[in-house]
Amino acid sequence: GQQLNQSPQSMFIQEGEDVSMNCTSSSIFNTWLWYKQDPGEGPVLLIALYKAGELTSNGRLTAQFGITRKDSFLNISASIPSDVGIYFCACPGGKLIFGQGTELSVKP
Amino acid sequence: DTGVSQDPRHKITKRGQNVTFRCDPISEHNRLYWYRQTLGQGPEFLTYFQNEAQLEKSRLLSDRFSAERPKGSFSTLEIQRTEQGDSAMYLCASSPPRDRGTEAFFGQGTRLTVV
Repeated sequence: GQQLNQSPQSMFIQEGEDVSMNCTSSSIFNTWLWYKQDPGEGPVLLIALYKAGELTSNGRLTAQFGITRKDSFLNISASIPSDVGIYFCACPGGKLIFGQGTELSVKP
Repeated sequence: DTGVSQDPRHKITKRGQNVTFRCDPISEHNRLYWYRQTLGQGPEFLTYFQNEAQLEKSRLLSDRFSAERPKGSFSTLEIQRTEQGDSAMYLCASSPPRDRGTEAFFGQGTRLTVV
């Protein structure tokens, strides 16, 4: 079936560092979504991408929709402790298909 | 509108009991999804409604699981004869009609513990 491969699985960084994570697929998608999930909570939508090549920012977050429509990346600049959580990429194809998540830990 | 609402937030039940969860989507969202998530994993798709029609069910959804969305608004997910392996976070999400966007918004989830 359709799958999204997300990497890295986990990251341990120092506060203030920049972070980059990505998601790839063997299928073409027309929308890429990035979510953040805190422990015990539901995923919260961070950024939605609709157009191949599109670069979208939301505060310190920047995401890009790959030109091939098979990949996307998410960057977080100048990380802070509250960035800790699990980040998921997702693509709608009828149902939402999720990546496995990138767990981010930020050391103050 | 306060977003997708799920009730209860937490449920502890004894093995063999039936449980029912409720999801109220964002108003005017015609699509509603149920997902299950265990620790350290991404959300796993269970089922999906467009209005009141159940359009897709995962093979993960055994005969003990049933979901309804009788009037195309709120939805319920029932698990009969619960097993310890059913312990998980159950997430509901909704999204608007396709011509208004494909983003899905999640509720806070119902944490089920089967003892």
